[in-house]
Order: sequence, then C-alpha cells, then structure tokens
Amino acid sequence: QQPVQSPQAVILREGEDAVINCSSSKALYSVHWYRQKHGEAPVFLMILLKGGEQKGHEKISASFNEKKQQSSLYLTASQLSYSGTYFCGTADAGKSTFGDGTTLTVKP
Amino acid sequence: DAGVIQSPRHEVTEMGQEVTLRCKPISGHDYLFWYRQTMMRGLELLIYFNNNVPIDDSGMPEDRFSAKMPNASFSTLKIQPSEPRDSAVYFCASGVAEQFFGPGTRLTVL
Repeated sequence: QQPVQSPQAVILREGEDAVINCSSSKALYSVHWYRQKHGEAPVFLMILLKGGEQKGHEKISASFNEKKQQSSLYLTASQLSYSGTYFCGTADAGKSTFGDGTTLTVKP
Repeated sequence: DAGVIQSPRHEVTEMGQEVTLRCKPISGHDYLFWYRQTMMRGLELLIYFNNNVPIDDSGMPEDRFSAKMPNASFSTLKIQPSEPRDSAVYFCASGVAEQFFGPGTRLTVL
C-alpha cells in the first residue's frame, strides 16, 4: 500500500525551514527519501532502517518513528537548490512503493 | 561507474508498434527495478529482479508489457502493442535499499 505524504506542496523563502511527512497504514521496516528535480531522475537522499533512527545530509535530516509508522524529512535553512519533488518510499521484501510526492519550491 | 544507463532517452512511436526500452544497471547491484512515472499516477513500480530473476511483476499493467533480464548487466522492458496511454517516463533503477535511477526514457505513443 502506498505511503501518504503531506503536505502536497510547500512554498518557502530561502532560509526558511520545512517538514515533509510520510505515513503508512502498514508496518514500516524502512523508509527511504528521494528528491527529483523537474525533468530529471529521482536522486537518493537517505534511508532509515530502524525505528527512532535519525539521519542527516547537509541541512536535510529525517526521522523514523516505527511505532507510529511514519517518517519526517526536515529541511533547515532551505536553499534554492532544494526545490524539487520529494518522495518517500517504503520497502517490503525488496518491493518499493513510493508516495505521491511533495513539491517544494524555494524562492529567493 | 557510469551509473545506470538507459536507452533510448526519447522514443516516439505510433499506436500498435512494439517498443523496447533498455537498461544497464550498476555493476554489482543485485536488484533491478523498472518504474513508470506519469502526472496522473506518480511513480509506479512495474517489476523488479533479484539476481536476474523476476521477483514481483504485479505492477505490470497488462500482458502487453513484458520484461527480461538475461544477464546481470542488461534488462529490457517491452510493450507490444503500444497504446497512447502508455506514454510516460520509464525509469530503470538498480541497488537495494538505496536505489540509483537511470535518466529515464520518455515514451510518447501517438
């Protein structure tokens, strides 16, 4: 079953923060996050494998709450280059299912 | 490594024609995935392979779609016959939890 992302779209000014949420009705064993810029392929950001795990990549970090079956992606002090569509994905026995994506627009 | 390689990058064909999309995964990656992306349906997993063996093809929309992986370095996705509703960007990705996507093939069926 497809994970649900919220919000669907976010518009920010450079330097502002954003949070993107991903939740599932099924038990989550891992969550992975990707960013896709317009006209390009999705690019892997990070994967969280354990409940409570948090990771960071530059000023982008994520958390995984296994019990609540949800993950959140945090974008701190956003930059213009952060614009794009962010997807969360879940994997079950190798099979990946992606959310519908959250479109993030960062304006100067 | 050059990353995941897909060909062609763009394909325009007429309804009823056969279309073959090609993918070369990153060497050493055991898993290969084929995805389709459209505005309406988002990013859909069509089929994936582990060690060249198809594991789950439940995402393949119809019998018109078929995929093969004859060896660890090559996979094809075939649509026969093609229909306008097959128009989409088709991505191949390799890896396991961390997937590396190819640049995609933009298919237009007229």
